[in-house]
Amino acid sequence: DAGITQSPRHKVTETGTPVTLRCHQTENHRYMYWYRQDPGHGLRLIHYSYGVKDTDKGEVSDGYSVSRSKTEDFLLTLESATSSQTSVYFCATHPGTGETGELFFGEGSRLTVL
Amino acid sequence: SQKIEQNSEALNIQEGKTATLTCNYTNYSPAYLQWYRQDPGRGPVFLLLIRENEKEKRKERLKVTFDTTLKQSLFHITASQPADSATYLCALDMGGGFKTIFGAGTRLFVKA
Repeated sequence: DAGITQSPRHKVTETGTPVTLRCHQTENHRYMYWYRQDPGHGLRLIHYSYGVKDTDKGEVSDGYSVSRSKTEDFLLTLESATSSQTSVYFCATHPGTGETGELFFGEGSRLTVL
Repeated sequence: SQKIEQNSEALNIQEGKTATLTCNYTNYSPAYLQWYRQDPGRGPVFLLLIRENEKEKRKERLKVTFDTTLKQSLFHITASQPADSATYLCALDMGGGFKTIFGAGTRLFVKA
């Protein structure tokens, strides 16, 4: 298993406050992703990174920013949290080599915005 | 944009029967299609991948088919067991690199 650690695992915050979720991996995988998972929508890609300081938007990037200053860490920031950002957030990684896109997932971070 | 449709209704089957889950996609056929398993409160775990030039792929009790004409993949679990109860996600490449999109998943319940 790819060593992927997400923190915090649970967070309750208030509308308008900033929130940062951290993903840490020990596999030296090149690609890292942030997804959110909501009932009825499945996993939706927020942002991804294809290398240190190289990031791109996914399908639901509004209201989120990311940073990757080291291979092993990928941060997701909600500058001003809203109730619509209440969700379970998953980090995933991919080696960046090979032909296929099999992803390795963390255990998720449950965020509640009141 | 590419969309994935999975049956949102839960599938309830009896132990020992074959479970069949459906995944349909709307636009271009991807180079490959993946299936993941997700247990409550956990992250998805990769199960199987099938390429566009493969009609069928098997792994132990799992079988996946890929029909690019119908734009559909079927996922079968034979001799199902209560431990197979989980949500199963279909996923495919968005194109342009290792960007994967997922269906909403189908919840499977296997009764003893």
